[in-house]
Amino acid sequence: GESVGLHLPTLSVQEGDNSIINCAYSNSASDYFIWYKQESGKGPQFIIDIRSNMDKRQGQRVTVLLNKTVKHLSLQIAATQPGDSAVYFCAESGNAGGTSYGKLTFGQGTILTVHP
Amino acid sequence: DSGVTQTPKHLITATGQRVTLRCSPRSGDLSVYWYQQSLDQGLQFLIQYYNGEERAKGNILERFSAQQFPDLHSELNLSSLELGDSALYFCASSVGPSGGYEQYFGPGTRLTVT
Repeated sequence: GESVGLHLPTLSVQEGDNSIINCAYSNSASDYFIWYKQESGKGPQFIIDIRSNMDKRQGQRVTVLLNKTVKHLSLQIAATQPGDSAVYFCAESGNAGGTSYGKLTFGQGTILTVHP
Repeated sequence: DSGVTQTPKHLITATGQRVTLRCSPRSGDLSVYWYQQSLDQGLQFLIQYYNGEERAKGNILERFSAQQFPDLHSELNLSSLELGDSALYFCASSVGPSGGYEQYFGPGTRLTVT
């Protein structure tokens, strides 16, 4: 079935560096993508989203890039801070037979560790 | 705080038992989603309700069922529990019924089956 996968399971950076977390998706009908951050013992926290009619969206210190040609999604975090240490998940929802579904398909997650 | 509440926070029970997990969505949200997070399967979609009606179903076992009540809170019922049902169960809510709406997650219920 459709799946969303991550290239790298772990990422370690120094405080102040920029971080890039990558994600590949397989469902070409996906039209909505979200990045979530999950800290230990907590539920996933919404970071930023992007729709398939866009290729870039910026938030506060975060940027999401979407490349539909190669079905690739990335999350860039500027000036990474120790508080950014968490597991990051990409997720997608898409269409099936012309019907848009809200259920999210999640990637496996990337562990981001920020060293002071 | 996402505005989504879940109770209980922790639940320990024995195999063969039945439990009920409760979720209250954010104010104004009509959709409720249930997800299971386990170490080997990651985050998996179980079921969605929108305004009281079942909207979408994922890989939810027949031993599991859910409903959404008129006040929009939802309950997930897990029966004939097995050791493999031990996991974190998350509820999420969104405004709309379909894709393209932000989903906000609750803090989860950690279920341990012994």
